Amino acid sequence: AQKITQTQPGMFVQEKEAVTLDCTYDTSDPSYGLFWYKQPSSGEMIFLIYQGSYDQQNATEGRYSLNFQKARKSANLVISASQLGDSAMYFCAMRELAPKSYNTDKLIFGTGTRLQVFP
Amino acid sequence: NAGVTQTPKFQVLKTGQSMTLQCAQDMNHEYMSWYRQDPGMGLRLIHYSVGAGITDQGEVPNGYNVSRSTTEDFPLRLLSAAPSQTSVYFCATRTGAGEQYFGPGTRLTVT
Repeated sequence: AQKITQTQPGMFVQEKEAVTLDCTYDTSDPSYGLFWYKQPSSGEMIFLIYQGSYDQQNATEGRYSLNFQKARKSANLVISASQLGDSAMYFCAMRELAPKSYNTDKLIFGTGTRLQVFP
Repeated sequence: NAGVTQTPKFQVLKTGQSMTLQCAQDMNHEYMSWYRQDPGMGLRLIHYSVGAGITDQGEVPNGYNVSRSTTEDFPLRLLSAAPSQTSVYFCATRTGAGEQYFGPGTRLTVT
């Protein structure tokens, strides 16, 4: 069964510093996608970055990068040059990309990490 | 395009009452799903649908029913609300490539 683990309930970082949010996953499927979402206090879910299991390079999107270590089954999110607006909950999620049947085609989320950026 | 819309935004129910949370999308996505979000639990999948007429259970389906008679709509029904169903509910759709779009959420309180 798929599982996502985020072990950091909360993180603090000073503005302009980089921060890494941890995510480990478990799946027996060789083809999967990993996602990070941001949820600010307003409540909406904002897609940040995607990494496919067969992608050779780590994904990057602006100040976000995904440190993908397949052998360790980790997909950590790195935010560079933190800004006050980065304060939010961050969720890691995973989905099988070639599900054997429709009932294994699910996006599973971790419990999230609350990031607080201070001046 | 409105994307994914959910109604109502807020709802208070008494224990035992029933209600339907509405979700609609105008993106013609086949895949739709419902999540609930509780503090410290992240988002947990309640039910999902891979197309009209096809639904299946997620991680926490008990107490909820769904149906999918059209591509656009995926309502979530609470037949007899319980305080344990107090939560924020998100509807989501997904493209074939896997990009997921969330609705704004419904905050439900059951007293």
